[in-house]
Amino acid sequence: DGGITQSPKYLFRKEGQNVTLSCEQNLNHDAMYWYRQDPGQGLRLIYYSQIVNDFQKGDIAEGYSVSREKKESFPLTVTSAQKNPTAFYLCASSMDRGSYEQYFGPGTRLTVT
Amino acid sequence: DQQVKQNSPSLSVQEGRISILNCDYTNSMFDYFLWYKKYPAEGPTFLISISSIKDKNEDGRFTVFLNKSAKHLSLHIVPSQPGDSAVYFCAASDRNAGNMLTFGGGTRLMVKP
Repeated sequence: DGGITQSPKYLFRKEGQNVTLSCEQNLNHDAMYWYRQDPGQGLRLIYYSQIVNDFQKGDIAEGYSVSREKKESFPLTVTSAQKNPTAFYLCASSMDRGSYEQYFGPGTRLTVT
Repeated sequence: DQQVKQNSPSLSVQEGRISILNCDYTNSMFDYFLWYKKYPAEGPTFLISISSIKDKNEDGRFTVFLNKSAKHLSLHIVPSQPGDSAVYFCAASDRNAGNMLTFGGGTRLMVKP
């Protein structure tokens, strides 16, 4: 049963702590993406990776970091430098850099207090 | 500067009637357009797409229309069902910019029984 998994579903952290969000896919997709969604807003691209060991900044990369050591995994770290980290985070993947359609995971709701 | 806009944050429709969701874009380089459906606390799911070489694409109850000269696309759902109640995002992509998706802010559709 192929798909994208994100864990945990809900995450709570204290301000000043780094936190890593997990994203795993077994679709054998080359490209993976991280988005952030805020209430009443669309999805904004944080980082993307079109191939293993390579990733690029999206529109709102400040305060975030990623790694892509394995094809199936693309973890996102929300650092203490991110000014407004509370949001709904979505991971997605697509077959390759030539594919338009992206498949999304269920998301992680991060709350920082 | 929002390149993809969904000007109606919400839409309410009676069951069985037509739902029309609209999306405008400013970047004339966009060559592929997608609609995603999203339930609360879940990831978006792909609904339907259209290439810029077409002006209509149909899939069951869902039809997407593209008017390139007006830089406008719309999603028609006929007949609308209560299960269609969700937030709908349009997204646009430019093949020459690496197929990244730019999302609109979303429209919340409520279908009343």
